[in-house]
Amino acid sequence: QKEVEQDPGPLSVPEGAIVSLNCTYSNSAFQYFMWYRQYSRKGPELLMYTYSSGNKEDGRFTAQVDKSSKYISLFIRDSQPSDSATYLCAIETGANNLFFGTGTRLTVIP
Amino acid sequence: EPEVTQTPSHQVTQMGQEVILRCVPISNHLYFYWYRQILGQKVEFLVSFYNNEISEKSEIFDDQFSVERPDGSNFTLKIRSTKLEDSAMYFCASNRDRGSSYEQYFGPGTRLTVT
Repeated sequence: QKEVEQDPGPLSVPEGAIVSLNCTYSNSAFQYFMWYRQYSRKGPELLMYTYSSGNKEDGRFTAQVDKSSKYISLFIRDSQPSDSATYLCAIETGANNLFFGTGTRLTVIP
Repeated sequence: EPEVTQTPSHQVTQMGQEVILRCVPISNHLYFYWYRQILGQKVEFLVSFYNNEISEKSEIFDDQFSVERPDGSNFTLKIRSTKLEDSAMYFCASNRDRGSSYEQYFGPGTRLTVT
């Protein structure tokens, strides 16, 4: 069983749309959930992390964790062309390493 | 804003050769990591390093790999005898302390091409 699974996309939306990106994970003991953004041929850039359940908001970005269904989401409001990138969900295993999803490639069309 | 840096950005080597990938983590960070990403695949954990020793390593990190912090700023990944399947992007990451491994900051990566 894979630790974290992510809808691979690709996802293409018009500018201004609300984007929903999702992952599921396998182990209910996981506590920290991260979203990274990765531009082509660049390193992952930490967008935000969430501890346990609930929502966390940062500007146009909202991260949501539902521990009962082992589901994590990232919502992007008023999407911009500059948001076009691959979005990676990741979980911290408690052993000082991260497991990443496969990434969802997002394109925001002007 | 402090950032993780990596050199070289691109390394081409022949199969069987040794390569050393270099990283300079953020200066007040204490935990260091290497990850790799084969083209089109997931970012995969290789190894974590703290207090001059390996904390965790994955199955990928076999005897061909080694890590070192040769001085107060650099963190290196050595691949002793490269194979074609070692071709990938290699990312270094760091975080400040034991309790913040969820807040890892990644470098731009080194693209390793083994021919």
